[in-house]
Amino acid sequence: DAKTTQPTSMDCAEGRAANLPCNHSTISGNEYVYWYRQIHSQGPQYIIHGLKNNETNEMASLIITEDRKSSTLILPHATLRDTAVYYCIVRVAVYGGSQGNLIFGKGTKLSVKP
Amino acid sequence: EPEVTQTPSHQVTQMGQEVILRCVPISNHLYFYWYRQILGQKVEFLVSFYNNEISEKSEIFDDQFSVERPDGSNFTLKIRSTKLEDSAMYFCASSEGLLTDTQYFGPGTRLTVL
Repeated sequence: DAKTTQPTSMDCAEGRAANLPCNHSTISGNEYVYWYRQIHSQGPQYIIHGLKNNETNEMASLIITEDRKSSTLILPHATLRDTAVYYCIVRVAVYGGSQGNLIFGKGTKLSVKP
Repeated sequence: EPEVTQTPSHQVTQMGQEVILRCVPISNHLYFYWYRQILGQKVEFLVSFYNNEISEKSEIFDDQFSVERPDGSNFTLKIRSTKLEDSAMYFCASSEGLLTDTQYFGPGTRLTVL
């Protein structure tokens, strides 16, 4: 089962920041937080990942709380094309003896509205 | 930007027939994966593959399934005798090296079993 909890759905106005929360209260010290999204029935698209520090790339920012029990994905200026299901996934960071597969939950369905 | 490709985009088959789904992973990647998503359900891990061997497989990946890297570029998933419940989107993914590297997904193959 997925080790994360996300809201089922969220709305966001076009041009505004979309803040998607994720709880991962049982995260281990060697687990990364990954975010993917899935637009309609397309393949999951990698967005960003982090371990402890906040991360930013051309798509989004990832804010991880100091205790690492929750995180927020921020899309700074949401567009209609950002409408998708967003998945928060925790995944082991240490090589060796652990499964490499991603365990997807139900994610958050983000609807960006004009 | 390199990407994972999959063929065909849609495959229709009769129950009991064999199907082969094809994937071309990103060229310098060493780990390969298959996932599936039944309509309206979560993305589920099937199998991971490295160095011409299965690394991990899920309970779904039973004797009806097999994977192969027949040459230096293709990665295939074979379903020997399809069932109605095999109807799903099948996604291939690849990652660069270690199990914890980011996985990049292909666009998927929609399999319809009649």
